Amino acid sequence: AQSVTQLGSHVSVSEGALVLLRCNYSSSVPPYLFWYVQYPNQGLQLLLKYTTGATLVKGINGFEAEFKKSETSFHLTKPSAHMSDAAEYFCAVSGDKLIFGTGTRLQVFP
Amino acid sequence: GAVVSQHPSRVICKSGTSVKIECRSLDFQATTMFWYRQFPKQSLMLMATSNEGSKATYEQGVEKDKFLINHASLTLSTLTVTSAHPEDSSFYICSARDSAGTNEKLFFGSGTQLSVL
Repeated sequence: AQSVTQLGSHVSVSEGALVLLRCNYSSSVPPYLFWYVQYPNQGLQLLLKYTTGATLVKGINGFEAEFKKSETSFHLTKPSAHMSDAAEYFCAVSGDKLIFGTGTRLQVFP
Repeated sequence: GAVVSQHPSRVICKSGTSVKIECRSLDFQATTMFWYRQFPKQSLMLMATSNEGSKATYEQGVEKDKFLINHASLTLSTLTVTSAHPEDSSFYICSARDSAGTNEKLFFGSGTQLSVL
C-alpha cells in the first residue's frame, strides 16, 4: 500500500522568498514520486518526478525536489517565489495507480 | 509532446439526466486511463482505473452503476454520470498512461467541471 502526506494545507511566502512545500510518503516498494501544480479550474501539470537515479530532481519553473529515503520525504523547493507560482500543489506516489496528497495552496504576496 | 484531451471542459445539466465525459490520448496509445474526482479545495480522489477492452476497476465507495466507464479503444475512455444529482457536481479529471518505451508517463486532461442543477 502507498500513501502520501502533505504537511500544511496553506503556505504563504513573499515574492522572492524561498518556497518549501513538504511531502512525506509511505510505500512498500521503491516509490515513484511526483509533484503536480493545479491552477484554478484547470487540470494538473507535472512539475517534476523522481523514478530512479539522482535524488535531486529539477523540474519546470525553477522548482526542484529531493528524494530522501531515510526521511521518506520528497519536499518541493524553489529559491525565489514569483507571483505566478500561486497555485495548488499536489504530491503523488505511484505504484499500480497514482495516489495524491491533500494538496498545499501556495500564496505569494508582493 | 503527448496530450490528453478531455471534453467537455464545463457542463451544466438538470438533475436526473446523464452526462458523458470523454478522455482522448491524442498521440499515444493508452491501455490504461484513470478517472479522478475533485471536490472544491480538496485533493483528487481516484474513482476508477479503466483498461482497454476490459471492465473498469472501481475504488471502494464508487458506484459502478452511477459512474459508467467505457474504454473501447486505445485512445478513448468515457465516463458517464448517470441520473446525475446535485451531489455529483464536481471537477472530474482523467489521466492516461503512456507505457511505450522504458519511461512510463502519465498525462492529465484539463478536467471537466460538472454542475448539476
